[in-house]
Amino acid sequence: QKEVEQNSGPLSVPEGAIASLNCTYSDRVSQSFFWYRQYSGKSPELIMSIYSNGDKEDGRFTAQLNKASQYVSLLIRDSQPSDSATYLCAVTPRSDRGSTLGRLYFGRGTQLTVWP
Amino acid sequence: SAVISQKPSRDICQRGTSLTIQCQVDSQVTMMFWYRQQPGQSLTLIATANQGSEATYESGFVIDKFPISRPNLTFSTLTVSNMSPEDSSIYLCSVRGTSRQETQYFGPGTRLLVL
Repeated sequence: QKEVEQNSGPLSVPEGAIASLNCTYSDRVSQSFFWYRQYSGKSPELIMSIYSNGDKEDGRFTAQLNKASQYVSLLIRDSQPSDSATYLCAVTPRSDRGSTLGRLYFGRGTQLTVWP
Repeated sequence: SAVISQKPSRDICQRGTSLTIQCQVDSQVTMMFWYRQQPGQSLTLIATANQGSEATYESGFVIDKFPISRPNLTFSTLTVSNMSPEDSSIYLCSVRGTSRQETQYFGPGTRLLVL
């Protein structure tokens, strides 16, 4: 399941800055991409999903997808201390393309700390 | 999104014993999955729980070690058999709806410590 790579960090940014999280994947035909946030001791919660090349914005979060480069990123604008968590990138594997299986393979996660 | 509950929330077990974890969803869902998250690691998919048929296991996971049941569209169990300390982990149930692009949501997890 080692198809998704993330810089494990830790990434540390000051409050109000932009945090940039990156993820690369090996399966060229992956179709669906997700960013989850996981607070310590909690289960992952979905932040963003993206399926097409380009940018997708939701509040302070922007997901960027470049399928040619097999690269997906998450930008967090105006970072807050409450954003401090581990961010997990997940992709749907090749074998599930065109099916309803919808399995997800996760990267190791990037630990983000936003300091006041 | 669906509301997912898991039982037990945590347990401490002796090596060689087995533990069954339950996952209950408040609505019918097509797909249910079981993941493992070992300390400091990311999530690893164990298997897809299929309603009315045998689960589909990922490479490295076998039915004898992780038997799974799914008797209906709202409930599934995962058993961790003949446990060893290496099985100490968080076990998470997740669900997905019927749309191709519908995303997965996770239960609160079961924290397992094997002594």
